[in-house]
Amino acid sequence: DTAVSQTPKYLVTQMGNDKSIKCEQNLGHDTMYWYKQDSKKFLKIMFSYNNKELIINETVPNRFSPKSPDKAHLNLHINSLELGDSAVYFCASSQDLVSSSYNEQFFGPGTRLTVL
Amino acid sequence: AQSVTQLGSHVSVSEGALVLLRCNYSSSVPPYLFWYVQYPNQGLQLLLKYTTGATLVKGINGFEAEFKKSETSFHLTKPSAHMSDAAEYFCAVSAPGSARQLTFGSGTQLTVLP
Repeated sequence: DTAVSQTPKYLVTQMGNDKSIKCEQNLGHDTMYWYKQDSKKFLKIMFSYNNKELIINETVPNRFSPKSPDKAHLNLHINSLELGDSAVYFCASSQDLVSSSYNEQFFGPGTRLTVL
Repeated sequence: AQSVTQLGSHVSVSEGALVLLRCNYSSSVPPYLFWYVQYPNQGLQLLLKYTTGATLVKGINGFEAEFKKSETSFHLTKPSAHMSDAAEYFCAVSAPGSARQLTFGSGTQLTVLP
């Protein structure tokens, strides 16, 4: 059983399109995250989402919007895709911050987004 | 604010040799420290973590790391490299109480030579 899964694994699209990446975790965690890994492998957090509280990273353009239908899912919607959005996007999850004093995050396999 | 510096974006070792990947951190409060490994085309997997207590922590696949507060370091070691250890390694830091903020270093690509 995959703990954190993402779909699709690869996504190739044209500039200006709108696309979504889905993430699901079956670990019973309350907190989920989206990270962007650029071509130099640098990982940067984009969002974290805990029990309906969304923490937005200020450097993320508002073309990016996370949506959480329930605590097991955190999808990432991207509008008006740009060339610079090409990257690998990772979803992760961790336990509720009250019950866990540290932040061990479990990562999905990643979605490689290529914008042409 | 917290930050992580990984010295050496690429490290090469021979099979059977010692692996040493360097990580220095900056944190205004006592940090929690992590090492993650990323195999090609895969997500990140936790190798080991330091939160409190013993400063030498052991992880999976024979890796260990030592938290040295005086040196603000958390270097990753393995006595004998194996070909399967070839991967990208990331050091990360978070501050207690702000666990949502996990800050990663820039990563170190480990190559194991036969």
